[in-house]
Parts: sequence; C-alpha cells; structure tokens
Amino acid sequence: AQTVTQSQPEMSVQEAETVTLSCTYDTSESDYYLFWYKQPPSRQMILVIRQEAYKQQNATENRFSVNFQKAAKSFSLKISDSQLGDAAMYFCAYRSSSYGKLTFGQGTILTVHP
Amino acid sequence: EPEVTQTPSHQVTQMGQEVILRCVPISNHLYFYWYRQILGQKVEFLVSFYNNEISEKSEIFDDQFSVERPDGSNFTLKIRSTKLEDSAMYFCASIRTENTEAFFGQGTRLTVV
Repeated sequence: AQTVTQSQPEMSVQEAETVTLSCTYDTSESDYYLFWYKQPPSRQMILVIRQEAYKQQNATENRFSVNFQKAAKSFSLKISDSQLGDAAMYFCAYRSSSYGKLTFGQGTILTVHP
Repeated sequence: EPEVTQTPSHQVTQMGQEVILRCVPISNHLYFYWYRQILGQKVEFLVSFYNNEISEKSEIFDDQFSVERPDGSNFTLKIRSTKLEDSAMYFCASIRTENTEAFFGQGTRLTVV
C-alpha cells in the first residue's frame, strides 16, 4: 500500500519570503500522480499543483513550484513571495495511475507572519 | 466554473440515528469519491464509485456505510447508525477520468452527539 509522509506538522514564514514544505512517499509503482492541496480555515480542499511521475520537469504554478525527486520518492512544495492568504493546512497526496483514490499525508500547518 | 456541491454544510445528529450526506458532482464527471477528515487529522479515503457500483472501499467503509447515485446527479453517503466516532468532515470529490484532477466539495461537518 502507498504511504505519504509529511514530517513537518507546522511551518512558519515571513510575508514575502520563501518556504518549502516536505513530503515523502512510498510506492512500488512507476507511474503515478502527486498533488499538493491547500485547506484554509473554511476546510475546502483546493488543488495547488500536480506532478505526473513520468515527467522529469518540475511543475510550477505562479508562486508555487515543486521539487520532484523520483528516485528519492520526495515531493516538496516551494512557495515564493509568501502572502498572508497562503496561511493554511497543506496536504501532499498520491494517486496511482490505475486507481482514482487519493492517499494523503498528515498535513503541514503553514503560518504566514506579516 | 463548475463545482461539486455538498449539502448540508453542517449536520448534528444523535448517536444511533441514520444520516444521509448529499453531493452533486460535476455533470460530466465519471468517478465519485467520499473522504473523511476527523478534526485535526489527515484526510482518509472511504469509497470510490464508478459506473453505478463501488470500485474500491477502505476498511473504514463497513456495513454501516452505503453509497448510491439514485438519479444520475446526486451521489449520497448513508451512515445507518451513527457513532460518536463518525463525527468528522466528509468530503465528496469527483473526477472526469482517472488521469484528471479531483474536484472537492466544500464538505459536510457531521457532529454526532
């Protein structure tokens, strides 16, 4: 079974600075998808970024980018120019290409200080 | 932009009562899911549903739980006899195909008293 581990229960960053959230996963599959979801206090799950395992190039979405290390099974999220609105719980998630279900990590609470 | 809609947003029920949580997935989506998040904990998969039948379920999804898509638009999760430990946020999600991203509803907060 796949597992996803987020080893940082909490992180903090100053506004306009950069922060990196860590995620590792365990799988025996070679083809899969990785995601970062943001959960603000409203508890809505919002997709931040996705990465297909077959793609070597790291995904980017505006201020959000990932560092995908397939051999190390690592998938970190970098948030540049942090904004107050980035404060939320962030979940890393894995999805096999064969099944649609998501396996989530434990989450990292990000605090942004003005 | 199309969205997944869940009702109610918050439901309080007495232990032992039946509850039905409702979801309207995005109209051209084919795969449907329920997830649960106990307060402060990670999001856990409950069940997936495709082509009018369950395609996968977790060990959490025991005989007290059932899902159905009664009218081609609604997707419901029923808990037959609620327990205190069923108190959680329940999320519905849908995807168009297996290679596309999941869209989540805003969640239903279930409180069992």
